[in-house]
Amino acid sequence: DAGVIQSPRHEVTEMGQEVTLRCKPISGHNSLFWYRQTMMRGLELLIYFNNNVPIDDSGMPEDRFSAKMPNASFSTLKIQPSEPRDSAVYFCASSLAGGQTDTQYFGPGTRLTVL
Amino acid sequence: AQKVTQAQTEISVVEKEDVTLDCVYETRDTTYYLFWYKQPPSGELVFLIRRNSFDEQNEISGRYSWNFQKSTSSFNFTITASQVVDSAVYFCALSTEKGYSTLTFGKGTMLLVSP
Repeated sequence: DAGVIQSPRHEVTEMGQEVTLRCKPISGHNSLFWYRQTMMRGLELLIYFNNNVPIDDSGMPEDRFSAKMPNASFSTLKIQPSEPRDSAVYFCASSLAGGQTDTQYFGPGTRLTVL
Repeated sequence: AQKVTQAQTEISVVEKEDVTLDCVYETRDTTYYLFWYKQPPSGELVFLIRRNSFDEQNEISGRYSWNFQKSTSSFNFTITASQVVDSAVYFCALSTEKGYSTLTFGKGTMLLVSP
């Protein structure tokens, strides 16, 4: 069975450029999460979708970050314009229904470097 | 507010030694779930176990075992007869109900198993 799929796995860009990260959740999962991992702050939740609807985006750092989920099998996280401090590993995770009992399964992550 | 503390930032052992990774959590909720994830050098986050707050039975899976003690708010993870392939960062996480599942991660413990 396919797990959570993320692309690209690595992204190197220059400050000011737009970056788009992509995620395909596990088929049948109704909840999708975007996380960011840095050495300083560890793993932080950025945004949570349930049935394609953003439920909690309180973790999104600022207006430069936006996320969409146009259908049940695809989500994007966009940074525009990117800054060096956005350099991190970005994980996408999905779970069956988003309830407390559900396990979140993570994708392999996208390592973003902004020069 | 929820909090997960993994006081051990890094542990080094020699192959075949037993090792215990500590996890202490804080929450005011009476219903919650605890998780352990493994992040090997390749970077992905791998789910290991989920335990709910009403089940204090210890869990054993092969060389892995988990000890959950509500009295001390701890959910420790022991690897018996460690192997080089166990080298990874291990994260403990707490999920409480906020209408949906939110995962609060500890900072992680890096385990290095040398031959």
